Amino acid sequence: NAGVTQTPKFRVLKTGQSMTLLCAQDMNHEYMYWYRQDPGMGLRLIHYSVGEGTTAKGEVPDGYNVSRLKKQNFLLGLESAAPSQTSVYFCASSQYTEAFFGQGTRLTVV
Amino acid sequence: SQQGEEDPQALSIQEGENATMNCSYKTSINNLQWYRQNSGRGLVHLILIRSNEREKHSGRLRVTLDTSKKSSSLLITASRAADTASYFCATEQTGANNLFFGTGTRLTVIP
Repeated sequence: NAGVTQTPKFRVLKTGQSMTLLCAQDMNHEYMYWYRQDPGMGLRLIHYSVGEGTTAKGEVPDGYNVSRLKKQNFLLGLESAAPSQTSVYFCASSQYTEAFFGQGTRLTVV
Repeated sequence: SQQGEEDPQALSIQEGENATMNCSYKTSINNLQWYRQNSGRGLVHLILIRSNEREKHSGRLRVTLDTSKKSSSLLITASRAADTASYFCATEQTGANNLFFGTGTRLTVIP
């Protein structure tokens, strides 16, 4: 039972490049979340999903897009990366109660 | 910001002492949760308290919730060096399925 798996674990992008972060969960959870974590800022919610085919904006959605075409996967896209998007990104899933987190993706935009 | 705020930002104690950290939030909630994060790792759920509960225990953890003051506290008793980590509160807003985190308390337990 893998839980929540994020790929990739590390990535360096040049300004203006695009990329997609993949989150996969094998617990049949309805809810999935994408967060970014910056020093001193805690975790900030980017987007979330309450079920297959649904997405909603969180606190800091600008510059990101998401898709949940399959229940087990939640994709986070950066269309044109900016240095301000340098951060550690965490995905999580839950089923009404506690959230389970992936190990994070460290993204650097240069 | 919809984030909660934890207090203190950092806490350093001796092994065996109790650690108390506080969380304040802004909106009405379904529940409040506490998570732990070891350096560079993902978050791990510790305990959940619902909006109609006032206190909950789990092992060495004690959580209180005061919805009138929009605040919660986490008490870790008889701390151990292995408790060294960052601790975050998270709130699920009433009528929503989101989960907003606070800014965290960095706890250091000195052996």
